[in-house]
Amino acid sequence: QVQLVESGGGVVQPGGSLRLSCAASGFTFSSYGMHWVRQAPGKGLEWVAFIRYDGSNKYYADSVKGRFTISRDNSKNTLYLQMNSLRAEDTAVYYCAKDSENYGDYPTEVDYWGQGTLVTVSS
Amino acid sequence: EIVLTQSPATLSLSPGERATLSCRASQSVSSYLAWYQQKPGQAPRLLIYDASNRATGIPARFSGSGSGTDFTLTISSLEPEDFAVYYCQQRSNWPPRFTFGPGTKVDIK
Repeated sequence: QVQLVESGGGVVQPGGSLRLSCAASGFTFSSYGMHWVRQAPGKGLEWVAFIRYDGSNKYYADSVKGRFTISRDNSKNTLYLQMNSLRAEDTAVYYCAKDSENYGDYPTEVDYWGQGTLVTVSS
Repeated sequence: EIVLTQSPATLSLSPGERATLSCRASQSVSSYLAWYQQKPGQAPRLLIYDASNRATGIPARFSGSGSGTDFTLTISSLEPEDFAVYYCQQRSNWPPRFTFGPGTKVDIK
């Protein structure tokens, strides 16, 4: 069965950096686009970024563009999110998520989610 | 940028009742609209994609309809496990991105 396991969350000071990882299993990782979606405490869902199945294209929400970088290593079945210049408003649970379309060029919808990792930006 | 609005914010119903949730887009999204369910402390779960297609394993009591700017998620007869928050989500190819609605909480009356 599909499993997505995030790691790397924690407490970081404003202006700091953090790298999240997501280990994928149970499907052909290299065939699917992947997302990061976040949820601030008590708030709704916010899409963060998408990477195409082969890593050739990456798309970001305006709120993180220029600060966050999504990447993947298909040989290790792992998705990453490098987060720089972190702000208090980046505090959230970050979910790794699988797109439903194989070999898709653009994001469609998410059919599997990890359990999330909490990132807290605070001094 | 397309904005999604969901109504009502909260829906208070009893088990066995019919739930009707609305999602409205600020401009046409064709049929590129999905619905998710999220329970406290859990990740979201895909219910409906492309406005009216049930995802794998989703019970038939969940149905979606609509196109363009107005969409509806209907739960025909609420089960105890259906009390949760429901989000709609649209996708666009240019610029490529997702947008989620603010959510509708279905709670027990």
